[in-house]
Amino acid sequence: AQKVTQAQTEISVVEKEDVTLDCVYETRDTTYYLFWYKQPPSGELVFLIRRNSFDEQNEISGRYSWNFQKSTSSFNFTITASQVVDSAVYFCALSDIPPGSLDKLIFGTGTRLQVFP
Amino acid sequence: NAGVTQTPKFQVLKTGQSMTLQCAQDMNHEYMSWYRQDPGMGLRLIHYSVGAGITDQGEVPNGYNVSRSTTEDFPLRLLSAAPSQTSVYFCASSQTSYTEAFFGQGTRLTVV
Repeated sequence: AQKVTQAQTEISVVEKEDVTLDCVYETRDTTYYLFWYKQPPSGELVFLIRRNSFDEQNEISGRYSWNFQKSTSSFNFTITASQVVDSAVYFCALSDIPPGSLDKLIFGTGTRLQVFP
Repeated sequence: NAGVTQTPKFQVLKTGQSMTLQCAQDMNHEYMSWYRQDPGMGLRLIHYSVGAGITDQGEVPNGYNVSRSTTEDFPLRLLSAAPSQTSVYFCASSQTSYTEAFFGQGTRLTVV
């Protein structure tokens, strides 16, 4: 069964602090994909990154970085030198492809990040 | 380039009424889905479709119905609205479930 757990409900930091958002997933499949989406206060959902289960290489995009560890079933997201514009709800998501079944995308409960000036 | 168009943006229903939330995409995506967002619950999958004529239930399907007669459209029907269905609803589309999803702007539904 699929499951995504984001244990941190809300995180508050001061601008320029680094912050890590945790994501733990469960799947029985060997082929799966992990995602992060951002929902700013305006409400739209914005894609940030996708990672497949065969690529454990960490990724960095500007101030954003992602750490994928299959050994701990985690896909954590770090924002370096946070800014007020990073304030949003961040969702981790999982898509797996069980044999003989339809694939689907499910989300975690989200982490609300507040960055104060 | 419209992307995913979701209507209406706001709706108030009385308990027991029925309605359809519309979702249309112009990206020729095969995969479409409906989620509801409630405080503390994240985005929960209601129904999804991997192509025209193929739908399946998600995590919270009760009280909702879907059909997919065309690639472009994926309407969500509330059969008999209940206060527990008060939520924000998002429609999403993507080429597959494991590629980038594009979301509609959301529908804020209140059932009184």
